Amino acid sequence: GENVEQHPSTLSVQEGDSAVIKCTYSDSASNYFPWYKQELGKRPQLIIDIRSNVGEKKDQRIAVTLNKTAKHFSLHITETQPEDSAVYFCAASLRPTGYSSASKIIFGSGTRLSIRP
Amino acid sequence: SQTIHQWPATLVQPVGSPLSLECTVEGTSNPNLYWYRQAAGRGLQLLFYSVGIGQISSEVPQNLSASRPQDRQFILSSKKLLLSDSGFYLCAWSPGVGADGYTFGSGTRLTVV
Repeated sequence: GENVEQHPSTLSVQEGDSAVIKCTYSDSASNYFPWYKQELGKRPQLIIDIRSNVGEKKDQRIAVTLNKTAKHFSLHITETQPEDSAVYFCAASLRPTGYSSASKIIFGSGTRLSIRP
Repeated sequence: SQTIHQWPATLVQPVGSPLSLECTVEGTSNPNLYWYRQAAGRGLQLLFYSVGIGQISSEVPQNLSASRPQDRQFILSSKKLLLSDSGFYLCAWSPGVGADGYTFGSGTRLTVV
């Protein structure tokens, strides 16, 4: 089945600097790659996503890139702010056999991002 | 608009006791429904998913089961809890028929003692 690897597991950056989180996936059939942000004790919330027919997508200070050939995708946060501190999860979506309408999302292990003032 | 409700928010149960966690979705029909578990400081593990009433797919062998008695209701159960069942349980939904985006419920923090 699909396997998603995420690095680093922890990341500390100075406020105002950029943060980059990298993920790889194993199943070349995956075609949807969301990123979730989880604050302490709360539910994960979708912050940005990208589909396999797009190489890059940007939303204000957040951008994602996808390299289908290498099966790599990355999250870039620029001009980091204290409220960016959280755990970030990358994920890949794989459609299961036999249930064509359901997309299972497989998550990476998470990156704990800390922003130093 | 669509909303997802999950309860209870926290639960402390003794080893060997039964479990029932409920999740309901409002404002949509025929959603895909999912149960995930998150161990402390870890990632999200997919436990079950469902594309319709009575249709349940299990991802990992375990001490838990899931049921979908109604279109917008998804229940996670156990007959006898183990210590290893402790964790943060999250229900999620996505629109049916090929759509991809997930929305998570607020989660249930289960502690088995």
